[in-house]
Amino acid sequence: AQSVSQHNHHVILSEAASLELGCNYSYGGTVNLFWYVQYPGQHLQLLLKYFSGDPLVKGIKGFEAEFIKSKFSFNLRKPSVQWSDTAEYFCALGQGPTFGRGTSLIVHP
Amino acid sequence: SAVISQKPSRDICQRGTSLTIQCQVDSQVTMMFWYRQQPGQSLTLIATANQGSEATYESGFVIDKFPISRPNLTFSTLTVSNMSPEDSSIYLCSVGLTSNTGELFFGEGSRLTVL
Repeated sequence: AQSVSQHNHHVILSEAASLELGCNYSYGGTVNLFWYVQYPGQHLQLLLKYFSGDPLVKGIKGFEAEFIKSKFSFNLRKPSVQWSDTAEYFCALGQGPTFGRGTSLIVHP
Repeated sequence: SAVISQKPSRDICQRGTSLTIQCQVDSQVTMMFWYRQQPGQSLTLIATANQGSEATYESGFVIDKFPISRPNLTFSTLTVSNMSPEDSSIYLCSVGLTSNTGELFFGEGSRLTVL
C-alpha cells in the first residue's frame, strides 16, 4: 500500500520568509508525485509534478520541489513567500492519487 | 485543462436519506474519481468511476453505500446512501486527461451536512 505523510500541519510565516513543506511517501514502485494547492474558496489545482528526469521540478508561482529517492521525500520550497500564498498544500502520490493530510500555510503581510 | 461542475454545491440532509451528487465535465475524459474530504482531514479516494462498467472502490468503501454511475465520458454521479452524521464531508469529483499524464482537475466540491 502507498502512503503520504506531511509532517507540518500548520505553518505561519511572514512575507519574504523562505518556505519548505515536508512530504514523505511510502511506495515500492515507480513514483508519480504531485503538489496541489487550494486557495481559500477555490478548488484544488496542481502546483507541480514529478514523473522522471530532473529531480528538481519547478512549478507555478515560484514554487519548486525536490525528489530525493533515498529519503522518500518530495519537499516543496519557495525562497520568498507572499501573502497570496496563504492556502492549503497537499502532497500526493500515484494515479488516482493518495493525498497527504495537507499543510495549512498562513502568510502574514 | 478541464472544467468540472458539481451539483449540489452544498446540502443539508436528514439521517437515513440518500443524496446524489452530479459531476459534469466540459470535455471527454478517461479517468474520473470521487474523493471525500472530511473536516480537518485529507482527501480520501472513494472510487474510480469507470465508463460503462462498475466503479472500482477503495478499501473501506462499498457500492451499497456509495453507488456510482458513469454513463458516458463526461458525466458521473455519486450517491451517498442511508446517510449518517459521519457522512458529513466535502465530496469531490476529479478527472484526469489522457493527454496530460497524472494531473487531476477538481470540481469545487459538494459540501454535505447530515443532521
